[in-house]
Amino acid sequence: QKEVEQDPGPLSVPEGAIVSLNCTYSNSAFQYFMWYRQYSRKGPELLMYTYSSGNKEDGRFTAQVDKSSKYISLFIRDSQPSDSATYLCAMTFRMEYGNKLVFGAGTILRVKS
Amino acid sequence: SQTIHQWPATLVQPVGSPLSLECTVEGTSNPNLYWYRQAAGRGLQLLFYSVGIGQISSEVPQNLSASRPQDRQFILSSKKLLLSDSGFYLCAWSAWGRRETQYFGPGTRLLVL
Repeated sequence: QKEVEQDPGPLSVPEGAIVSLNCTYSNSAFQYFMWYRQYSRKGPELLMYTYSSGNKEDGRFTAQVDKSSKYISLFIRDSQPSDSATYLCAMTFRMEYGNKLVFGAGTILRVKS
Repeated sequence: SQTIHQWPATLVQPVGSPLSLECTVEGTSNPNLYWYRQAAGRGLQLLFYSVGIGQISSEVPQNLSASRPQDRQFILSSKKLLLSDSGFYLCAWSAWGRRETQYFGPGTRLLVL
């Protein structure tokens, strides 16, 4: 079993739709939860990170963490064609040097105009 | 502001040839530095990390090595490339005291033929 599970998609939605992206994890030691956006042939870009259970909002993006269910989500409101990308969830746990990131495989999102 | 550079952007190399990929960070001091590899359709795999000059830790045994000759320079090397070394190589940094958030460079796409 992978430590972080993420549906690879692709997820195809019309412009303006609400998008829900999800990850589940098995390691209860994970402390920080992040979402990265990666455009084709580019490096991942940090979108949001959160530490505690609950919701965190930033513009059209809302990150949700449920530690009791080991489940995290990213919601995108009013989706735009420019949101078309691969979305990677990532989680950290403590190592001697700091924190190690464990990534999901990524979900491909396509927003059609 | 901080920026991270990687070069080259794309590289095609024959099997058995050497490799040197370079990463530099600007606008910060004493960063933690990381090398990841991303295979097609898969998440990011941590290869090496460094907490300071000359300090390298390896996450997985492999055909690659890393070095950090200067505070903001991180180099990924191989003496003899294998076909399985093909992939997208990403360098990342995190700030001292903010190790939960890592920021990625633009990546190097390596094709070994």
